[in-house]
Amino acid sequence: DGGITQSPKYLFRKEGQNVTLSCEQNLNHDAMYWYRQDPGQGLRLIYYSQIVNDFQKGDIAEGYSVSREKKESFPLTVTSAQKNPTAFYLCASSTRRATDTQYFGPGTRLTVL
Amino acid sequence: QQPVQSPQAVILREGEDAVINCSSSKALYSVHWYRQKHGEAPVFLMILLKGGEQKGHEKISASFNEKKQQSSLYLTASQLSYSGTYFCGTMLGSLGSQGNLIFGKGTKLSVKP
Repeated sequence: DGGITQSPKYLFRKEGQNVTLSCEQNLNHDAMYWYRQDPGQGLRLIYYSQIVNDFQKGDIAEGYSVSREKKESFPLTVTSAQKNPTAFYLCASSTRRATDTQYFGPGTRLTVL
Repeated sequence: QQPVQSPQAVILREGEDAVINCSSSKALYSVHWYRQKHGEAPVFLMILLKGGEQKGHEKISASFNEKKQQSSLYLTASQLSYSGTYFCGTMLGSLGSQGNLIFGKGTKLSVKP
């Protein structure tokens, strides 16, 4: 089955630690995205990548980093510089055709203790 | 730049109808509608491209008024399964960062028996 997987579903981290969230897709999509969702705030774009080995900052990139070494994978690292990392993180992918939409993975809920 | 959704929340009885609006201050290329259940990934409903077309998906349809830069989602004869938060995502163009989705804050829909 084609789709987007994110792991883990729940993640707990101590303050000051970096943590990496996984996102894998087998839809053969060129573009991948990371969003952060907080209650009442909708989805805010952290980083996006339209092609392998290239990525761009979104609206709230501070305290986050990404890599795109493979078409299928787009991991997100939440660094200790992120002041308020507790949130629901969603990964999405799409083709590069503007008439297509984005499809989302199941999400990772990160809690900082 | 973030689209404005209204209402913020709505409560319906089964069988009732609802309209959710999404307005932008910028000229839009497309509008994407999603539904999200609590703790789950947003699920794609439909996409509307500029041109004022209307689309339908069973008892859920949507329109896009290009002159007003507004899209409306129509839910008719609501079912319990329609409960969730509805998000519109707007796209300003087809290239580069213009091709990214900007999401509204969502409309929480609750359908009661």
